[in-house]
Amino acid sequence: SQQGEEDPQALSIQEGENATMNCSYKTSINNLQWYRQNSGRGLVHLILIRSNEREKHSGRLRVTLDTSKKSSSLLITASRAADTASYFCATDSWGKLQFGAGTQVVVTP
Amino acid sequence: DGGITQSPKYLFRKEGQNVTLSCEQNLNHDAMYWYRQDPGQGLRLIYYSQIVNDFQKGDIAEGYSVSREKKESFPLTVTSAQKNPTAFYLCASSIVGQAWGQPQHFGDGTRLSIL
Repeated sequence: SQQGEEDPQALSIQEGENATMNCSYKTSINNLQWYRQNSGRGLVHLILIRSNEREKHSGRLRVTLDTSKKSSSLLITASRAADTASYFCATDSWGKLQFGAGTQVVVTP
Repeated sequence: DGGITQSPKYLFRKEGQNVTLSCEQNLNHDAMYWYRQDPGQGLRLIYYSQIVNDFQKGDIAEGYSVSREKKESFPLTVTSAQKNPTAFYLCASSIVGQAWGQPQHFGDGTRLSIL
């Protein structure tokens, strides 16, 4: 069964706009991770946020974590065509990752 | 450059045939993982290994087998017992941290299809 569930399933935006996607999960976690997958490729790690952290930044990415609501969000600011990909959240419980079904993001020029 | 190499990129299996997918890493990571990805879905864990000569079943291990004879290598065999093997298979590795809060590094996958 999938621990994380992303919302929305798909997102289409124009270059320069911000993209926000959410992840909800069901059980307690050690940390939550976000990954990007380009079509036909492997996953690339973006950010890891620990259960005692509330917000984390990396370049144009901002991740929040609310353990009381069991939810996380990923914000991509000033999106570019190269940000077109699927984005997955993964919850980490004792080293095993459980992935959601992902949010497919399309950024048009 | 350090990374994970999966081969082949595409693989075709006949009915009743076992096939083996290769995964090699030169990141000096202790832990390695195999995942299966079906269209429009997330990844599901097949097997994982934290140390040489030891491995554990993941959520969907039936019909699959693995070995971990070397730190760098973690091959996956899809046996004839796996009735629906068509999928995208991803291998990953990570260091083993005390708090188990480590990112995983992925290969570029093997796409397996049935002839």
